[in-house]
Amino acid sequence: GAGVSQSPSNKVTEKGKDVELRCDPISGHTALYWYRQSLGQGLEFLIYFQGNSAPDKSGLPSDRFSAERTGGSVSTLTIQRTQQEDSAVYLCASSLRNTIYFGEGSWLTVV
Amino acid sequence: RKEVEQDPGPFNVPEGATVAFNCTYSNSASQSFFWYRQDCRKEPKLLMSVYSSGNEDGRFTAQLNRASQYISLLIRDSKLSDSATYLCVVPSGGSYIPTFGRGTSLIVHP
Repeated sequence: GAGVSQSPSNKVTEKGKDVELRCDPISGHTALYWYRQSLGQGLEFLIYFQGNSAPDKSGLPSDRFSAERTGGSVSTLTIQRTQQEDSAVYLCASSLRNTIYFGEGSWLTVV
Repeated sequence: RKEVEQDPGPFNVPEGATVAFNCTYSNSASQSFFWYRQDCRKEPKLLMSVYSSGNEDGRFTAQLNRASQYISLLIRDSKLSDSATYLCVVPSGGSYIPTFGRGTSLIVHP
């Protein structure tokens, strides 16, 4: 379909390893967001990209987290030296105007 | 006051009941509001936008009260399939960064 695509769907990693999560937004959507949701919790904003503007990184919880968006399209969220508290579902979303659409998420488990 | 607040519930209602949720927000400059639905272990999905004049989509009605800074969602004739968590969304910040409420859990039982 033409929705937001995320990969991998599930990732189990050992504590201390780095992980990369990928997001392919809906074609033509200029805004891209990353959120994190721990089990039973609300959505936590991480980072926001809008066109060619500098991203809003105000939600990144630590300097182990970084994200980039290449060519105004695909985005990669990188978590370095993963910790157990990083276990969550990482949701990517995109929008053209005000309405945002989510991907199915990348479920990360750090063991 | 938190940016967006919702009663977490759960709201436990029988099939056919009418149920309403409220969501309060603190940013009086907010313009666009939405309700999303999230099923267990799934991503949030847009349920409906909330317009100043209120809007209705089948059994669902959304309303905005700017004076008191809250939005509401009314579900009539509840179905078992309505069981989910309902998230309200309010934009915040200088740029458009949607803030999601923690969600209200609805359980519709036979």
